[in-house]
Amino acid sequence: GEEVAQTPKHLVRGEGQKAKLYCAPIKGHSYVFWYQQVLKNEFKFLISFQNENVFDETGMPKERFSAKCLPNSPCSLEIQATKLEDSAVYFCASSQLGGRGYTFGSGTRLTVV
Amino acid sequence: DQQVKQNSPSLSVQEGRISILNCDYTNSMFDYFLWYKKYPAEGPTFLISISSIKDKNEDGRFTVFLNKSAKHLSLHIVPSQPGDSAVYFCAASDSGNTPLVFGKGTRLSVIA
Repeated sequence: GEEVAQTPKHLVRGEGQKAKLYCAPIKGHSYVFWYQQVLKNEFKFLISFQNENVFDETGMPKERFSAKCLPNSPCSLEIQATKLEDSAVYFCASSQLGGRGYTFGSGTRLTVV
Repeated sequence: DQQVKQNSPSLSVQEGRISILNCDYTNSMFDYFLWYKKYPAEGPTFLISISSIKDKNEDGRFTVFLNKSAKHLSLHIVPSQPGDSAVYFCAASDSGNTPLVFGKGTRLSVIA
């Protein structure tokens, strides 16, 4: 499709529970990016993929966070044992050309209670 | 260390006037700059971009100016319309493949 589809729109988890977020990039886009936006402030880069390969994971927390982009499946971002500070809006974006012209999804709002 | 800075959290402009949003950066390796517009509960949408080989790019009511020596860029919207009210994010990258680095955004309110 011509839009980046993120599901679910909202997710509520108790502290310590697992959270899994999904992103279907635009067909034909080779790059997928995940960003975290806390308190409506800056976008913190987490991880990027080129097709199904991790391209840049310099922003990923070492523990609890993992991500995958498998062929013929939506990409996913998983947070094990969520903490209160994981509450944020998680945006996925895709592009044809890496760092140029991302198209963003509408985000998943994760609330950890 | 914030590499892309938008020092004005908010800006109010009257309808029909010019809106000027500013952005400064510290990384001299950045060679491509973008502006995104974001409405509440939506993802950012691409507005306009500029490569470091240019100092100006225009698209309808939107113009981006780049001053490389000052490491400064600005977005001009003229004439401003109420539908332009949104948060505007400046972003930069230093190659085709590195992730975009975003500023914290400026909330523009266009008053009718």
